[in-house]
Amino acid sequence: AQSVTQLDSQVPVFEEAPVELRCNYSSSVSVYLFWYVQYPNQGLQLLLKYLSGSTLVKGINGFEAEFNKSQTSFHLRKPSVHISDTAEYFCAVSDRGSTLGRLYFGRGTQLTVWP
Amino acid sequence: KAGVTQTPRYLIKTRGQQVTLSCSPISGHRSVSWYQQTPGQGLQFLFEYFSETQRNKGNFPGRFSGRQFSNSRSEMNVSTLELGDSALYLCASAIDPDSLLEAFFGQGTRLTVV
Repeated sequence: AQSVTQLDSQVPVFEEAPVELRCNYSSSVSVYLFWYVQYPNQGLQLLLKYLSGSTLVKGINGFEAEFNKSQTSFHLRKPSVHISDTAEYFCAVSDRGSTLGRLYFGRGTQLTVWP
Repeated sequence: KAGVTQTPRYLIKTRGQQVTLSCSPISGHRSVSWYQQTPGQGLQFLFEYFSETQRNKGNFPGRFSGRQFSNSRSEMNVSTLELGDSALYLCASAIDPDSLLEAFFGQGTRLTVV
């Protein structure tokens, strides 16, 4: 089974500052990688995904992530955050041999943006 | 088009009771997955259905079961509820499990066991 580690449980930043949310996964085999965002009392919304190709992936709301196979990492970045980005962010992995119906999630990172 | 619909949104049950949660996928989606979200364990995979067949099952006791109907709607059932079953239960739908398109999540059912 996959293991996903989100290195920071909470990340506080000021508005317009850059942010990086870190994610490492355990598998040495090929994987699909995802970042989801969850607002209070809501489900999960896909921010971006890496399936193949370019290691730099751009998503919605100005977020991007870089896949690093040698370091088994998929860190999420945004150059300038807004208060509306305050939410919980989840990194997820799916084995390429499995189906997209089964995702392994990290424990989440609470991003809080202060004015 | 309508998103993934989960009903009910909130539910309170007592220990020992059973509960049934419902998930209606996006029209045209035939794959449905269920996840349990708790503060202690995070997001954990429960099961995945496609064309009325369970394709994958997570590491949960037999008290947790599910099914999918011919119209792709899915239900999950938890029998003999325990306090630890209190969680947000999320359903996700996709066109099919092998599609490279995204899975869409519903808003979840918040189950509280007292």
